[in-house]
Amino acid sequence: AQSVTQLDSHVSVSEGTPVLLRCNYSSSYSPSLFWYVQHPNKGLQLLLKYTSAATLVKGINGFEAEFKKSETSFHLTKPSAHMSDAAEYFCVVRRWYSSASKIIFGSGTRLSIRP
Amino acid sequence: EPEVTQTPSHQVTQMGQEVILRCVPISNHLYFYWYRQILGQKVEFLVSFYNNEISEKSEIFDDQFSVERPDGSNFTLKIRSTKLEDSAMYFCASSDVSSNAADTQYFGPGTRLTVL
Repeated sequence: AQSVTQLDSHVSVSEGTPVLLRCNYSSSYSPSLFWYVQHPNKGLQLLLKYTSAATLVKGINGFEAEFKKSETSFHLTKPSAHMSDAAEYFCVVRRWYSSASKIIFGSGTRLSIRP
Repeated sequence: EPEVTQTPSHQVTQMGQEVILRCVPISNHLYFYWYRQILGQKVEFLVSFYNNEISEKSEIFDDQFSVERPDGSNFTLKIRSTKLEDSAMYFCASSDVSSNAADTQYFGPGTRLTVL
């Protein structure tokens, strides 16, 4: 079975300071892992993905994530938070089944940015 | 940049009524999905659709739900007799057929369904 655990339901940082959103996964096979962001009243936007190429993945808006197989982690980071980063962030694992791939969402982490 | 669109953005209905949620996937995509997010809860998979048939469905997707691709562009989710607990945000997603790009599902903005 595949699953993801987002270790923090809410993270609050000051503008200009680093962001760390934690995610651990469980997978029987080599997983594909994603981070999606959901701004208030908006849809889900893909931030970045890992699909067994480089373990350090760079995404949009200055975010990046590192796949660590030994730790079964895929934490999302950003060196310097911006007010516009305030949103809900979802870690997602892909499970391949037949012709279509079901993706499994973590419970989400709400990121707040303090001025 | 192409995107997935969904209509309506908000649907209010009475319990027991039928609703149809509409999605227009990205034009060259061949895999389609529906997810839902009950307020305050995680996003849950409902169903995936490929080659005009359901590929996989979750336990949530019971006989009250159906999906259809009525023409070359639309992908619909029908709930036959809505219940209060069907109130949620429903997201449509699509992905490409090529082996690498099939990893990435692109989501629409969602339809908020409110059942009274």
